[in-house]
Amino acid sequence: DAGITQSPRHKVTETGTPVTLRCHQTENHRYMYWYRQDPGHGLRLIHYSYGVKDTDKGEVSDGYSVSRSKTEDFLLTLESATSSQTSVYFCAISAGNQETQYFGPGTRLLVL
Amino acid sequence: AQSVTQPDIHITVSEGASLELRCNYSYGATPYLFWYVQSPGQGLQLLLKYFSGDTLVQGIKGFEAEFKRSQSSFNLRKPSVHWSDAAEYFCAVDQSQGNLIFGKGTKLSVKP
Repeated sequence: DAGITQSPRHKVTETGTPVTLRCHQTENHRYMYWYRQDPGHGLRLIHYSYGVKDTDKGEVSDGYSVSRSKTEDFLLTLESATSSQTSVYFCAISAGNQETQYFGPGTRLLVL
Repeated sequence: AQSVTQPDIHITVSEGASLELRCNYSYGATPYLFWYVQSPGQGLQLLLKYFSGDTLVQGIKGFEAEFKRSQSSFNLRKPSVHWSDAAEYFCAVDQSQGNLIFGKGTKLSVKP
């Protein structure tokens, strides 16, 4: 299994509070991704990174920001959480462009 | 825009029976195609992938998939299903920069 950890694994928060999710990899892969998974929608890309300090938006980026100051860590921040951001969040990594993506175990977020 | 369609939301098969899960994609260039499996509460595990070459690809756990360009399909098959195959299956196509577009998934139930 690819060395990907996500923290926290579960979180309950209130509307309007900031939330940061962390993805950590030990594979030294260049690309990292954040997806959200919702029933009936499959997985949708939020943001991705193609190197340290290099990030770009995905399909559902509104309300989210990301940062990558080190190769191994990719942070996803909800500046002011809303109930519509209740979801399961998955981090993924890949060695390069259009290479296989490997997924972390997920973070279950509930926004009340 | 690229898209992936999995026409079957839920499929039930008997243990030992054969399985085919359908996937159709919309993509202008030669697609990079993937099948992932997700067990309840778990992350996604790669079953197989198609990048080029032989249109019949073999994956883990006895799964295979066939790329048919004329039908824009990448159907997943297994000759004999085991109870442990019960899970949700996702087809995905890779756009540029490794942006995976996922189908909405097919949930597989296995009857004893």
